[in-house]
Amino acid sequence: RKEVEQDPGPFNVPEGATVAFNCTYSNSASQSFFWYRQDCRKEPKLLMSVYSSGNEDGRFTAQLNRASQYISLLIRDSKLSDSATYLCVAKGGGSNYKLTFGKGTLLTVNP
Amino acid sequence: GAVVSQHPSWVICKSGTSVKIECRSLDFQATTMFWYRQFPKQSLMLMATSNEGSKATYEQGVEKDKFLINHASLTLSTLTVTSAHPEDSSFYICSASPRVLYGYTFGSGTRLTVV
Repeated sequence: RKEVEQDPGPFNVPEGATVAFNCTYSNSASQSFFWYRQDCRKEPKLLMSVYSSGNEDGRFTAQLNRASQYISLLIRDSKLSDSATYLCVAKGGGSNYKLTFGKGTLLTVNP
Repeated sequence: GAVVSQHPSWVICKSGTSVKIECRSLDFQATTMFWYRQFPKQSLMLMATSNEGSKATYEQGVEKDKFLINHASLTLSTLTVTSAHPEDSSFYICSASPRVLYGYTFGSGTRLTVV
């Protein structure tokens, strides 16, 4: 089983749509979680951290369920500029600073 | 803040030569930096953890004699791909974080093509 698994995608949605990404992680010792976005042939860029209480940043909402080891990202009112690959990332606990990446889910927002 | 600079952005080299990639933290000190490799349509795979002043820690399956890592200062880590072969062609990215609980910032990556 992969350590971090994401929806395989790709997702094609019209502008203004709401899209949800799902992610599960297998290492229960993971402490921190993030969503990154990666544009084609570019480096990943931090989109947002994910907290147990859930957190929102504008049109983006992230949720974490530690009991089911599940992470989600919701994008509301999607824009053309949201088109990218979304990476679910888990960071190890304690002194383990390693990041484990999911394979990513490609999102294309169409006009 | 938390800017990571990586050079070169792309490099084409002949098979058998060595290539050095630099990763710098511009506005913070990084005792630890990470080196990743990403093949097309694949996720980022951690190659090694670079530790300032000590030996790097390599992930299973990564040849330490082929991928030499030097982290001589708190702001610079280098990855040298020695005797490069076409199968080493990939996107290499470094990352670092100013604080343990922060997300990590990535360098802009180096696209290596070995011909």
